[in-house]
Amino acid sequence: GENVEQHPSTLSVQEGDSAVIKCTYSDSASNYFPWYKQELGKGPQLIIDIRSNVGEKKDQRIAVTLNKTAKHFSLHITETQPEDSAVYFCAASKGPWNTGFQKLVFGTGTRLLVSP
Amino acid sequence: DTEVTQTPKHLVMGMTNKKSLKCEQHMGHRAMYWYKQKAKKPPELMFVYSYEKLSINESVPSRFSPECPNSSLLNLHLHALQPEDSALYLCASSLTGENTGELFFGEGSRLTVL
Repeated sequence: GENVEQHPSTLSVQEGDSAVIKCTYSDSASNYFPWYKQELGKGPQLIIDIRSNVGEKKDQRIAVTLNKTAKHFSLHITETQPEDSAVYFCAASKGPWNTGFQKLVFGTGTRLLVSP
Repeated sequence: DTEVTQTPKHLVMGMTNKKSLKCEQHMGHRAMYWYKQKAKKPPELMFVYSYEKLSINESVPSRFSPECPNSSLLNLHLHALQPEDSALYLCASSLTGENTGELFFGEGSRLTVL
């Protein structure tokens, strides 16, 4: 089955710096790669996702890159702010989802701390 | 309405108790999920319902019993739990078919088993 590795487990940056979190997946059939942010006491929330037919996607200060050959994908956050402090999970799944649902495999998580 | 609502937020139960966790969404999603999350770990999939039918049971012990009474509700019935079952239980929902993408998570029910 799919296995997703995520690094680093913790990341401390100063406000305004950039943060990069990296994930590696094992199943070459995986084709959907979302990133979830989980704040303390809350459920995970999708912040950005990318499908395997795209190499890069950007949404304001957040970007995700995908290297299918190397089977890894990364989250880039620029101009970090204290409110970016949270746990970030990468995930992978494979479609098409004609089963009617998707089965995400999550990475182990990265605790990001942004200091003012 | 893009919310998944879970009740109760906190639950403490003894090993002989029977309790239930509830989840509700009104986004018209026909896929609903139960995840278990231990401290400092990623969510682990327990069950998936698709069109109100159980589609995945990830070898979860029978002391956890899911139920999907209609397209908006998902329950998790708990009986004879063990202290190691203490965790955050997350409900999620999503669209189905080719549009499946984002999972919308609730805030979770934090369960403590004494």
